Amino acid sequence: SAVISQKPSRDICQRGTSLTIQCQVDSQVTMMFWYRQQPGQSLTLIATANQGSEATYESGFVIDKFPISRPNLTFSTLTVSNMSPEDSSIYLCSVTAGPQYFGPGTRLLVL
Amino acid sequence: QKEVEQDPGPLSVPEGAIVSLNCTYSNSAFQYFMWYRQYSRKGPELLMYTYSSGNKEDGRFTAQVDKSSKYISLFIRDSQPSDSATYLCAMSRPNAGKSTFGDGTTLTVKP
Repeated sequence: SAVISQKPSRDICQRGTSLTIQCQVDSQVTMMFWYRQQPGQSLTLIATANQGSEATYESGFVIDKFPISRPNLTFSTLTVSNMSPEDSSIYLCSVTAGPQYFGPGTRLLVL
Repeated sequence: QKEVEQDPGPLSVPEGAIVSLNCTYSNSAFQYFMWYRQYSRKGPELLMYTYSSGNKEDGRFTAQVDKSSKYISLFIRDSQPSDSATYLCAMSRPNAGKSTFGDGTTLTVKP
């Protein structure tokens, strides 16, 4: 299993600003995933982050908007840049350790 | 057509009822099958995890996989109001890393 923590758990931000979300895992994992879940919607994969290489982004998501760092095998950050109200969502960090595990999420509200 | 289709719901049942949640899939390469429970504004929590076909039981929860029909189910016996949540099915191929998720079924158990 894997235990994942995220910081911050929630935030309210002004449009045009940026927020960096941290994800910490209690064991070393090769791949970490970042998801977005908008209100009432299912999970949408933003990108896959491998240690030591550039993140792989899904269609509709770009590095300039969602830069990701993966400095080691237990940690990753996702930055939501130049935010707009449409970025209001829950952002989830996830890893595969057998099955896939999720962090508690970061609830973001952009005003 | 989506790779994973989940009965959309919402589902509302009285306390004590037996609940059946279902997903179908099209990719015969899927070998790992998961069910997640997600409470409002929280990250998905892994509930059940099975490999290949068969049944797996954990307390009031039974996960069933029928690979010949490409159909998986989650049964909840003696449902409780605390079971009220959105349930997500997910499945993955060996060594794929990330899973493919259903859109979720929202369950309400009324006292």
